[in-house]
Amino acid sequence: NAGVTQTPKFQVLKTGQSMTLQCAQDMNHNSMYWYRQDPGMGLRLIYYSASEGTTDKGEVPNGYNVSRLNKREFSLRLESAAPSQTSVYFCATGGAYLAKNIQYFGAGTRLSVL
Amino acid sequence: DAKTTQPPSMDCAEGRAANLPCNHSTISGNEYVYWYRQIHSQGPQYIIHGLKNNETNEMASLIITEDRKSSTLILPHATLRDTAVYYCIVRVDPGGFKTIFGAGTRLFVKA
Repeated sequence: NAGVTQTPKFQVLKTGQSMTLQCAQDMNHNSMYWYRQDPGMGLRLIYYSASEGTTDKGEVPNGYNVSRLNKREFSLRLESAAPSQTSVYFCATGGAYLAKNIQYFGAGTRLSVL
Repeated sequence: DAKTTQPPSMDCAEGRAANLPCNHSTISGNEYVYWYRQIHSQGPQYIIHGLKNNETNEMASLIITEDRKSSTLILPHATLRDTAVYYCIVRVDPGGFKTIFGAGTRLFVKA
């Protein structure tokens, strides 16, 4: 039972390159989330998916796209990476029950854009 | 939208209780308060949540004031492994999906 698995763990890109961050969960949760965390800062919500087939913007969606491939998988794509996107990216899952939407996080992907 | 205010940092002696305050003066009646912590560079970990009543689990206790404008997370016997950033969160949309973490409180537990 792995919980929330993110791949890759580390990545270095050049400005303008594209890449997709993968997230998979085996918790049978409906909702999934992508956050970024810059050094010394709290987490900021990029996109979320309340359920399979739906996605919505969070606090900082510009420069990113997402795909909820199925209930298990939620990917984050950077089409043209910029140095400002250097950050640690966390995927999380949560149940859909309003009052108890407790989130479970992956270990993170550390991305550097040169 | 309910938001939270926490002190940037706190110290606590090992073995003593750590009391972490959070102000959420604009919280609405049906919004829960959640606490998470982040140890070093790991993903955040859920600790506890509550609505009106005080709550306790194996990790911590949560005390919510009667007017619900503030709460305190209590780690009854802090250990060095409790050194982390602690986040107090209130959901910001009726659907309960959007989450704002803020900067949190950096707790240093000292031997």
